[in-house]
Amino acid sequence: KNQVEQSPQSLIILEGKNCTLQCNYTVSPFSNLRWYKQDTGRGPVSLTIMTFSENTKSNGRYTATLDADTKQSSLHITASQLSDSASYICVVSDDMRFGAGTRLTVKP
Amino acid sequence: DAMVIQNPRYQVTQFGKPVTLSCSQTLNHNVMYWYQQKSSQAPKLLFHYYDKDFNNEADTPDNFQSRRPNTSFCFLDIRSPGLGDAAMYLCATSRDRLAGGDNEQFFGPGTRLTVL
Repeated sequence: KNQVEQSPQSLIILEGKNCTLQCNYTVSPFSNLRWYKQDTGRGPVSLTIMTFSENTKSNGRYTATLDADTKQSSLHITASQLSDSASYICVVSDDMRFGAGTRLTVKP
Repeated sequence: DAMVIQNPRYQVTQFGKPVTLSCSQTLNHNVMYWYQQKSSQAPKLLFHYYDKDFNNEADTPDNFQSRRPNTSFCFLDIRSPGLGDAAMYLCATSRDRLAGGDNEQFFGPGTRLTVL
């Protein structure tokens, strides 16, 4: 069964610190993997889109990596800000299958 | 600004009373999606339209229907809402299919449905 699993489920960090969120998938084949940010009560917003041939993609303080061999992706957030508090969702697009997300809380 | 608009933002209905949620887009995208998102869960795709071509997910209950009268508008009809249908309903669009490319998907703000 095609799955997208994210870890950790939730994470609390202090403002200014870095963090890394993980996404493991078993969807195969796939052509792209996306990371979204979803603020509470809002729709998801696209952060990065990576095709299977890309290893890394950056969007400001967000950097996503992809290892298609091990079927793992990560989202690294640098110098976190309070506004980074949100759920971060990994999506393997061919299956339109969303991970359950990681709930990130950034504290002052 | 080009965007995905959902109305209403909050909808209250009674158990068994039909309800329609609406979505409009100014992006002129070919694909429109409806997702159901329950509290602390990932969005779950219900169905999507590629232009006028309707694609229903296998596990979407028959209680959920959709209409796309033109490129700009898409409706979600819940024929007989149950308590378990209370959720956030998200509409999204993309210029083309998401698979096989880097088409970006744009989400609306969602409609939160309460069933009494």
